Amino acid sequence: EVQLVESGGGLVQPGGSLRLSCAASGFTFSSYWMHWVRQAPGKGLVWVSRINSDGSSTSYADSVKGRFTISRDNAKNTLYLQMNSLRAEDTAVYYCARDPFGGNWFDPWGQGTLVTVSS
Amino acid sequence: AIRMTQSPSSLSASTGDRVTITCRASQGISSYLAWYQQKPGKAPKLLIYAASTLQSGVPSRFSGSGSGTDFTLTISCLQSEDFATYYCQQYYSYPLTFGQGTKVEIK
Repeated sequence: EVQLVESGGGLVQPGGSLRLSCAASGFTFSSYWMHWVRQAPGKGLVWVSRINSDGSSTSYADSVKGRFTISRDNAKNTLYLQMNSLRAEDTAVYYCARDPFGGNWFDPWGQGTLVTVSS
Repeated sequence: AIRMTQSPSSLSASTGDRVTITCRASQGISSYLAWYQQKPGKAPKLLIYAASTLQSGVPSRFSGSGSGTDFTLTISCLQSEDFATYYCQQYYSYPLTFGQGTKVEIK
């Protein structure tokens, strides 16, 4: 069974840092592009970042460019999102999601991890 | 960025109804469109990609159509488990963008 499990969320002060992890199982992780998508409380879905299968290519939403870094460790079947200079508007549930064919849609999604940026 | 606009933002329907949700792109995106279903407190689930291709395991009462700028998601016979929020997403270009969502509620 394909499974994605996020971790690393929590409460952080504005300007702080956090690293999210997404542990993958049930498929050949190193063959797939991966994404992060976030959802502020009560709001819609917003794409955050994408990484290709070997980690050599990444893309970011303008709102996080220069502050967030996506990476992966294919030996550990794990996706990461390093988040620096966090702002209140970064408060959201962060989902990792697999990209089935490098086509930039998402299936499946993890259960999400909540990041709260507040003093 | 390509803006995706869904209509309506919410709707009330009864079990057995036919429901149609519209998604409009601010510029042409060919058929690079996906639809997702999200239930409260849960992660989104892929329903349709390439505008009209049903994801494996998704009931056939769901269907998608359209190309260019105008797309529709249709639920042919609404079931109790279909009450949820639905999102469209374009993958024609970065940044990938979603519609604001359509909440399907029980009448």
